Amino acid sequence: DGGITQSPKYLFRKEGQNVTLSCEQNLNHDAMYWYRQDPGQGLRLIYYSQIVNDFQKGDIAEGYSVSREKKESFPLTVTSAQKNPTAFYLCASSIIGTKSGANVLTFGAGSRLTVL
Amino acid sequence: AQSVTQPDIHITVSEGASLELRCNYSYGATPYLFWYVQSPGQGLQLLLKYFSGDTLVQGIKGFEAEFKRSQSSFNLRKPSVHWSDAAEYFCAVDRRADSWGKLQFGAGTQVVVTP
Repeated sequence: DGGITQSPKYLFRKEGQNVTLSCEQNLNHDAMYWYRQDPGQGLRLIYYSQIVNDFQKGDIAEGYSVSREKKESFPLTVTSAQKNPTAFYLCASSIIGTKSGANVLTFGAGSRLTVL
Repeated sequence: AQSVTQPDIHITVSEGASLELRCNYSYGATPYLFWYVQSPGQGLQLLLKYFSGDTLVQGIKGFEAEFKRSQSSFNLRKPSVHWSDAAEYFCAVDRRADSWGKLQFGAGTQVVVTP
């Protein structure tokens, strides 16, 4: 079945360490996204990418980095510059343009990062 | 400022009773509108969406939502709640003017279902 796989599901990090969250999709979607979820705040967009080798900052990109070397993959690195990285991170993908199903996000199951 | 508001942080409803979750947005034009549901520790699942046309939209799991342009609202309803509907529900908008798929989410409404 097609879908989005995020790993690891749980991750613990010491302060000052960078960590990378994996996101892989086999839906053949063009666009991929990273959202951060904190209790009582909904989801906030970190980065998004429309096409391989191109990505743009979302609303809260500071302290994060991404790459898009393959259509299927969009890993997120939480750097030591992120002041409050403990959160639930959700990866999503979508078709873009005017095709049926465009603009509808499909989400992965999420990765919970805890900084010790 | 552009925003999505879910006024109810937490709702408790008896099994079999009706449920209505409120969502208001503030954007200049009519955006694309969505409702997603999230079970604990899981990703989000799309319940329904409104892009244009009939303002009453049907979704999965027996949910429906009504878009009211005059009130800038997109409220979610279910006539009879099941215990499995206990979850967190998020309203979201796609701003369209400069975006596609970059959703703005409300803070969510936690739904608890009692026997």
